[in-house]
Amino acid sequence: QVQLQQWGAGLLKPSETLSLTCAVYGGSFSGYHWTWIRQPPGKGLEWIGEINHAGTTTYNPSLKSRVTMSVDTSKNQFSLKLPSVTAADTAVYYCATRGYFGWSSVDAFDIWGQGTMVTVSS
Amino acid sequence: QSVLTQPPSVSGAPGQRVTISCTGSSSNIGAGYDVHWYQQLPGTAPKLLIYGNNNRPSGVPDRFSGSKSDTSASLAITGLQAEDEADYYCQSYDRGLSAWEFGGGTRLTVL
Repeated sequence: QVQLQQWGAGLLKPSETLSLTCAVYGGSFSGYHWTWIRQPPGKGLEWIGEINHAGTTTYNPSLKSRVTMSVDTSKNQFSLKLPSVTAADTAVYYCATRGYFGWSSVDAFDIWGQGTMVTVSS
Repeated sequence: QSVLTQPPSVSGAPGQRVTISCTGSSSNIGAGYDVHWYQQLPGTAPKLLIYGNNNRPSGVPDRFSGSKSDTSASLAITGLQAEDEADYYCQSYDRGLSAWEFGGGTRLTVL
């Protein structure tokens, strides 16, 4: 059974760099799009961007200038970095993937990690 | 402000039927992109509830159904149960923004 397990620092000061990693267990890593989505407290979901196993990225244009994603295929992991964080970056960050299962749609996010609460505060 | 508009809240008594709308535009739903729905129980990650407009993953009760027409979509829940109390989000692709977009979310309260 495919699972996503994520981790990273939960408390940051303004101007620091957010760094999160997500590991894929129990399934194939190649051939899929690995995604980051965030949810500010009490608010809706925002797609941050995605990366495939070859390292090809697609970012939300609203965050493109600040986001960096990377993959480590030897460990079946992918990562998110967001520099110069502010309070507006406070959110639960989820890793996810789309169209993983054959029965699913290519643009439906069908597997999610457990989420990491990241708080930016001085 | 999301490009997919959902009502902030809906409510219904146990056993009743409720619908949640998701209104988009010619840049997303109206452009032919599929709509997907997610259920988020308190304190948990979203879970795919409906994919490809009207399909249910294995394990999702047939009380949940989806539909799509023109620039909007709807999620219907029949036979409401207390366990259905959650936040529901629609999602589609927006070609104008070149991004996957979510609706603002709808909180379902079971009275």
